[in-house]
Amino acid sequence: DAKTTQPPSMDCAEGRAANLPCNHSTISGNEYVYWYRQIHSQGPQYIIHGLKNNETNEMASLIITEDRKSSTLILPHATLRDTAVYYCIGGANTGNQFYFGTGTSLTVIP
Amino acid sequence: DAMVIQNPRYQVTQFGKPVTLSCSQTLNHNVMYWYQQKSSQAPKLLFHYYDKDFNNEADTPDNFQSRRPNTSFCFLDIRSPGLGDAAMYLCATAINLYNEQFFGPGTRLTVL
Repeated sequence: DAKTTQPPSMDCAEGRAANLPCNHSTISGNEYVYWYRQIHSQGPQYIIHGLKNNETNEMASLIITEDRKSSTLILPHATLRDTAVYYCIGGANTGNQFYFGTGTSLTVIP
Repeated sequence: DAMVIQNPRYQVTQFGKPVTLSCSQTLNHNVMYWYQQKSSQAPKLLFHYYDKDFNNEADTPDNFQSRRPNTSFCFLDIRSPGLGDAAMYLCATAINLYNEQFFGPGTRLTVL
């Protein structure tokens, strides 16, 4: 199983970009990286996923390094509603996207 | 408009008294998952169904069982809840094993 490492907590000023790093050095070549977030007392919410190329959607951008050992989730203009725990999951080929790491607790500060 | 529905949202049971949590989906997804999430921890997968095929995680206690009578519904049965089973139980669905998961709001279980 691919294992991920994330900083336990981060702060970001409202309106600024939030950059959340994740290390997934054991990821296999055909395993996706998934990001979810969980706002307090709610179920996790899918954000974005990628394999090799950088990805962008209406919520965020995902930057994956060329060696695929790490990635960064970017929330371009953080709002107070983005305060949540963000989980990076490395390894969704055989279904390893089930295994959530410890996550990063992001606090957006007014 | 809710796509993954969990009932009840809050459940209180007594030590050793069987309890059933319910999950339903309107997405017609093939896969349904059950996770356990204890306070300040990440969700932990208990088991999942791919269609009718049941897949149990190796470290899921026998005390936890699941049923999926049809595509839309999935149940989590805890045969003899202990104090350590108090947690949030999350249901999720996906089109298949390699697609993003859609989570329900969870059921918070309290064991007295």
